[in-house]
Amino acid sequence: DTVLTQSPALAVSPGERVTISCRASESVSTLMHWYQQKPGQQPKLLIYLASHLESGVPARFSGSGSGTDFTLTIDPVEADDTATYYCQQSWNDPYTFGAGTKLELK
Amino acid sequence: EVLLQQSGAELVRPGSSVKISCKASGYTFTDYYMHWVKQRPEQGLVWIGRINPANGNTVYAEKFKSKATLTADKSSNTAYMQLSSLTSEDTATYFCTTAPIMDAWGQGASVTVSS
Repeated sequence: DTVLTQSPALAVSPGERVTISCRASESVSTLMHWYQQKPGQQPKLLIYLASHLESGVPARFSGSGSGTDFTLTIDPVEADDTATYYCQQSWNDPYTFGAGTKLELK
Repeated sequence: EVLLQQSGAELVRPGSSVKISCKASGYTFTDYYMHWVKQRPEQGLVWIGRINPANGNTVYAEKFKSKATLTADKSSNTAYMQLSSLTSEDTATYFCTTAPIMDAWGQGASVTVSS
């Protein structure tokens, strides 16, 4: 299975720029997607195919990468961005998720 | 409006089975794979598998091949997941979703396995 490795947690101040990384154990081309999940809610798709912004998602969110290294950037961070962020690959079966990065605001 | 409406919370006994439903509306049911995702309390997301509602073809993650059975009923636009031989490890919220192709998620079905 393709293992996705994310840093476990980050703490930033509102207005700052934050990057969340996701490294794949093998190439997934650009079939990487990013989700935001707040407590008690379903996940929400932010970025699909590595760099495409999902409709309705603020332009503060962006994604980049290909192959094995991917990044989700939030600039500037707002208080409402407190959540856990997951990457998911759909290049290989089974699809896999990273363990999630919990973003907290100072 | 695209909606995925899941069945309600279940309290089930160890060793039993449970079947969760996911009724789709607002789009053509057969146009998108339906995926199922597990989330244990305070844990991350785990992909269980997917079904192609158009032809019933399924793909499972290895660890769920003997645990989950995915089916779909085109006549009622409903996807189902049956979980068998339940243990405390199966206590979780289960989501159906058409993501990442289309960002639609069910509200989650809570399954609690307890005697």
